Amino acid sequence: GAVVSQHPSWVICKSGTSVKIECRSLDFQATTMFWYRQFPKQSLMLMATSNEGSKATYEQGVEKDKFLINHASLTLSTLTVTSAHPEDSSFYICSARDGQRTYEQYFGPGTRLTVT
Amino acid sequence: GQNIDQPTEMTATEGAIVQINCTYQTSGFNGLFWYQQHAGEAPTFLSYNVLDGLEEKGRFSSFLSRSKGYSYLLLKELQMKDSASYLCAVNPGGFKTIFGAGTRLFVKA
Repeated sequence: GAVVSQHPSWVICKSGTSVKIECRSLDFQATTMFWYRQFPKQSLMLMATSNEGSKATYEQGVEKDKFLINHASLTLSTLTVTSAHPEDSSFYICSARDGQRTYEQYFGPGTRLTVT
Repeated sequence: GQNIDQPTEMTATEGAIVQINCTYQTSGFNGLFWYQQHAGEAPTFLSYNVLDGLEEKGRFSSFLSRSKGYSYLLLKELQMKDSASYLCAVNPGGFKTIFGAGTRLFVKA
């Protein structure tokens, strides 16, 4: 099956610093990738949709200047949390759609971000 | 608006059958998904329904009624490892998928 990796799997950073999270599709080309945030015992909240070679589409209420998304290639998308604050601490999950299978999306293992 | 409702928690006994319901109200409909998510892990795909009826896959089955905006996930022969959150999600059209809050299933011996 299709595999999506995320790096790092967990990260602790100080308030005010920036953190970059990578999402890679390992064995397929992903024209579209999604970034979600999940707080404990809550559902996945879509933050943005990332399309290769174009600007990401952000959901309402998500600050595009704070959560920078770059989809530089068909296998890599990055999310950078800039000037992180403790309230940004969350589980960040990416997913990718295989262009040949239109309905299914494959999730990465997630990144646990803790801002101190 | 978009709304997906499912029970917050359910408890069932090992070896039993459990049905997790999901109702949805979305601007459009292009398929309904069920995912399993263990604590601290990413969701894994269980099923996809786009037409009315029952889809069976091993111990797991998923049902859809588009006219009622209703789906259920049926888990048979429950095992302890089935203890997890089960997420109902809808594609309202386009690329997005909207997730429900999830149902936490506890399987007891």
